[in-house]
Amino acid sequence: AAGVIQSPRHLIKEKRETATLKCYPIPRHDTVYWYQQGPGQDPQFLISFYEKMQSDKGSIPDRFSAQQFSDYHSELNMSSLELGDSALYFCASSLGSRNTGELFFGEGSRLTVL
Amino acid sequence: AQRVTQPEKLLSVFKGAPVELKCNYSYSGSPELFWYVQYSRQRLQLLLRHISRESIKGFTADLNKGETSFHLKKPFAQEEDSAMYYCALRGGYNFNKFYFGSGTKLNVKP
Repeated sequence: AAGVIQSPRHLIKEKRETATLKCYPIPRHDTVYWYQQGPGQDPQFLISFYEKMQSDKGSIPDRFSAQQFSDYHSELNMSSLELGDSALYFCASSLGSRNTGELFFGEGSRLTVL
Repeated sequence: AQRVTQPEKLLSVFKGAPVELKCNYSYSGSPELFWYVQYSRQRLQLLLRHISRESIKGFTADLNKGETSFHLKKPFAQEEDSAMYYCALRGGYNFNKFYFGSGTKLNVKP
């Protein structure tokens, strides 16, 4: 069965550069979530989208922006990268706004900022 | 503010022993709580949700509103239960924000 696909799986950037992460949800899923997990830390909620509109917002820095496109895939844009942005970025998808609470996670994109 | 607390980073038990992974939460209103699990080299996936009152792979979790807890229990641990377990709470303005705890690594020894 198709799962959530994230790309790239690994990304290495320099400080002050820009990075874009992509997330392709499970077909028919209309809700996408982004999480950031730093080394030894809990997954921190960044932002979620439902039907291409921002749904809830968490601890997403102003340097980051995200959107959900007409085909429901989502992109997380990160600018002016800092060393502290090095983390595993998870994307998850679900069906419906008031869904059962089952999130389907991707394998994550590991960003390393040098 | 921290919404979900998992006090144990690592829990080691022997096969056949009972296991309890602790989770406490803080939330105003009626919480919806979940346990997610990540087996080695696999994706994070839902294990169970409190509203279903189900037992999955022998695991159960009861929501205790008085103690604001949602501990995960299994009477007899198996080696294949070894994994990372995350407690999660759903909230947010549009109910589309899931708060995860820091996770507990369960190691079941033979």
